[in-house]
Amino acid sequence: TQLLEQSPQFLSIQEGENLTVYCNSSSVFSSLQWYRQEPGEGPVLLVTVVTGGEVKKLKRLTFQFGDARKDSSLHITAAQPGDTGLYLCAANNMDSNYQLIWGAGTKLIIKP
Amino acid sequence: EAQVTQNPRYLITVTGKKLTVTCSQNMNHEYMSWYRQDPGLGLRQIYYSMNVEVTDKGDVPEGYKVSRKEKRNFPLILESPSPNQTSLYFCASHSSWAITDTQYFGPGTRLTVL
Repeated sequence: TQLLEQSPQFLSIQEGENLTVYCNSSSVFSSLQWYRQEPGEGPVLLVTVVTGGEVKKLKRLTFQFGDARKDSSLHITAAQPGDTGLYLCAANNMDSNYQLIWGAGTKLIIKP
Repeated sequence: EAQVTQNPRYLITVTGKKLTVTCSQNMNHEYMSWYRQDPGLGLRQIYYSMNVEVTDKGDVPEGYKVSRKEKRNFPLILESPSPNQTSLYFCASHSSWAITDTQYFGPGTRLTVL
């Protein structure tokens, strides 16, 4: 069974702090995506990583795909209240061409 | 503007009363999916469709039906809703199942079954 475990489940920090959230699995994936979901809305894609060791940056957000393509991290520098939301990771299901496997998410709150 | 729309956004109903949640996309995407989102469980796929008249079960299809008569529409049908179907539902569409493709999600439908 392929599972994606996200940690922490919940994180509340002050504006300006740095943070890292994780998405881990014992399975190997060919790609992994990070989405952000704000209250009352559907998830929105932030980034897709496909190569082991790949690092992508999106302004203050840095995404890394593990060398073995089993895990990923999202680091936010100088967090702002606008970063508040639920961060979800999703990876391609190796058993099915038409499904993604989803983590349960990290709920992030940035206090002003 | 590219978008996925869902209706209704909120629905409270009673056990056994048939309901339909509509989903429409304006991006001419072939692939569409329905998910439910429950606290601590993340997104779980209910059904998906690869094209008109082509649908298949996801991870949690029991108690749900779908149809894909037109490319843009993918309604979710609950023939006899039960309280364990109380959840937040999302429709999504994408142009392909390429590993780098983006899924576009609707705004969600919050369903409560009493």
